[in-house]
Amino acid sequence: NAGVTQTPKFRILKIGQSMTLQCTQDMNHNYMYWYRQDPGMGLKLIYYSVGAGITDKGEVPNGYNVSRSTTEDFPLRLELAAPSQTSVYFCASSSGQAATNEKLFFGSGTQLSVL
Amino acid sequence: QKEVEQNSGPLSVPEGAIASLNCTYSDRVSQSFFWYRQYSGKSPELIMSIYSNGDKEDGRFTAQLNKASQYVSLLIRDSQPSDSATYLCAVSLSSGGSYIPTFGRGTSLIVHP
Repeated sequence: NAGVTQTPKFRILKIGQSMTLQCTQDMNHNYMYWYRQDPGMGLKLIYYSVGAGITDKGEVPNGYNVSRSTTEDFPLRLELAAPSQTSVYFCASSSGQAATNEKLFFGSGTQLSVL
Repeated sequence: QKEVEQNSGPLSVPEGAIASLNCTYSDRVSQSFFWYRQYSGKSPELIMSIYSNGDKEDGRFTAQLNKASQYVSLLIRDSQPSDSATYLCAVSLSSGGSYIPTFGRGTSLIVHP
């Protein structure tokens, strides 16, 4: 039972490069989320999805794109990386079946540095 | 903008004491409230959830919810050094028909022997 799997765990990018953070879950969850966490801060929502083919912006979407072609996968794309995108990225999922059933299952995180 | 507010701390308590962590939120229609614990370099893990006004106890942890005051708290009794971590308050805020977990900045707790 893998839960939520994120890859890679660490990555260093040069300014202007692009990359995709991968996230997959095997719990058949409808809801998936991407958060970023800066040092000493909480989690800020980048994008979320309530099901395959449906995505929506969160609090800090600029510089990122997502897609949700399957229930299992929710990749996060960084275009033209900037130093401000240096952060730890967490993918999470939840069943989202009811307002009271929103426990998040987190991946292990990706430490991204843009230099 | 809908927000979740926490004091960033650090909150320092001696071993065996009660640690009290507080959180306020701005969205009156929120229905679900969570406390996550995050050790340094790790992912958040759920330790408590609460949905109704009042207290909910689980071992050494007690979550308290007051929807009228838009306030949720976490009490940790008999604090142990292993409780030293960042505690994140999360509130499910309404957004376009969905309820989206929104996090506060977290409170750093240090339990010293």
